[in-house]
Amino acid sequence: DVKVTQSSRYLVKRTGEKVFLECVQDMDHENMFWYRQDPGLGLRLIYFSYDVKMKEKGDIPEGYSVSREKKERFSLILESASTNQTSMYLCASSFWGSGDTEAFFGQGTRLTVV
Amino acid sequence: ELKVEQNPLFLSMQEGKNYTIYCNYSTTSDRLYWYRQDPGKSLESLFVLLSNGAVKQEGRLMASLDTKARLSTLHITAAVHDLSATYFCAVRALNTDKLIFGTGTRLQVFP
Repeated sequence: DVKVTQSSRYLVKRTGEKVFLECVQDMDHENMFWYRQDPGLGLRLIYFSYDVKMKEKGDIPEGYSVSREKKERFSLILESASTNQTSMYLCASSFWGSGDTEAFFGQGTRLTVV
Repeated sequence: ELKVEQNPLFLSMQEGKNYTIYCNYSTTSDRLYWYRQDPGKSLESLFVLLSNGAVKQEGRLMASLDTKARLSTLHITAAVHDLSATYFCAVRALNTDKLIFGTGTRLQVFP
C-alpha cells in the first residue's frame, strides 16, 4: 500500500511564525507535490519536486519555500505565516515519467494562522 | 501555462438520474486523471486516461478523453447516494510531471 504521511492533521500557528509542514512517502517516488485546497478554488499547486534538491514553482509559490534533502521527504515552509495562509495543505507523490501512474495523496494538514 | 476548468462547480441530482461533469484544459497534455474526495478525507484516484478516445468505466462512473478538444467527461449513470462527494480532474503538464487540478465538482445525490 502506498503511503503518504503528513506530520500533522491540525495545526494552529501565530502570525509571523515560521511553519514547517512535513511529508514522507514510502514508495520511492521521484515526484512530490504540495497543494493548498480552498473552497471554490480546488487544489492549487504551490511547489513540485522531481528529484532530491530539485524543485519547480507551482501556481502560487509566494510566501512559501520547500526543501527536499532526501527522496522520501518533502517539506513545505511558511517563512512568516499570515492569516491568508489558513488553508488545507495536501502533499502528494508519484513516479516520474510515462505510464498511467497517478499521484497518491496524504491525509492533509489543516493549518489555521491566528 | 496550463489551466484546467471544471463545470459545474456544484451538482445536486436525484437518485436514478444521469449527469455529466466536464473538464476542459488549455494546452496539450498526454495524461488526465479523475479523483474523488469525501468530506474530511484525502483524494482517491478513480481513473487515468492516456490517449485520445480513451474510455474507462467503474460501476456507475465512466470517464472519457478527447485530446483534440482538450476535454474530458465524467458521466454518472443512475446516481446513488454513495456517489455524493467532490470530484476533481487533474491534467499532467506536457514535458513535466506537474499535475494541475480543476476547481472540483461537488456532487450531492438526494432520494
